[in-house]
Amino acid sequence: KNEVEQSPQNLTAQEGEFITINCSYSVGISALHWLQQHPGGGIVSLFMLSSGKKKHGRLIATINIQEKHSSLHITASHPRDSAVYICAVREDNYGQNFVFGPGTRLSVLP
Amino acid sequence: DTGVSQDPRHKITKRGQNVTFRCDPISEHNRLYWYRQTLGQGPEFLTYFQNEAQLEKSRLLSDRFSAERPKGSFSTLEIQRTEQGDSAMYLCASSRTSGPSYNEQFFGPGTRLTVL
Repeated sequence: KNEVEQSPQNLTAQEGEFITINCSYSVGISALHWLQQHPGGGIVSLFMLSSGKKKHGRLIATINIQEKHSSLHITASHPRDSAVYICAVREDNYGQNFVFGPGTRLSVLP
Repeated sequence: DTGVSQDPRHKITKRGQNVTFRCDPISEHNRLYWYRQTLGQGPEFLTYFQNEAQLEKSRLLSDRFSAERPKGSFSTLEIQRTEQGDSAMYLCASSRTSGPSYNEQFFGPGTRLTVL
């Protein structure tokens, strides 16, 4: 069983739709990263959180430590949001490296 | 540009050759990470440095792989006797251990390796 799972694997939405991407993990963590990867490979850090909720523009990330679950929400989606969204966790007491989920490929159609 | 940079961006080599990649982290970041990403998968951790010390290495990192960060600034990742299975995107990231955005990792554009 993978330590970090994401759903859905692929998601197609119409411009303007509200989007939710889910991440669940099986280990105790000290932090969780949401990352965006564009075609060609560039990865951008969206959020790093260890509790609660963070908001940046149209993006919102939440985490429930007890349920070992995090969600990334995109409001008023736009075609430029099309990318792969990756969840990564840093395990408790296991150094500094992150374990990455497989990613969710999002396509937002105009 | 003050982001993480990697060189080269693309490398094509023949099986059995050695290759070396370079990563220049954000200047005030003392941690540097190497990851490998194959098509359709999330990145996998390879190793990380704090300053010049290599503090963790993944079991994925066979003895053909070696990484250095001699002065605590840029890092190199060398793969000896490349195999076709080494074909992947090699990503570098850096982070700081204090101050704004501490422990948040910032990624470079990656080096795409193709082994023929």
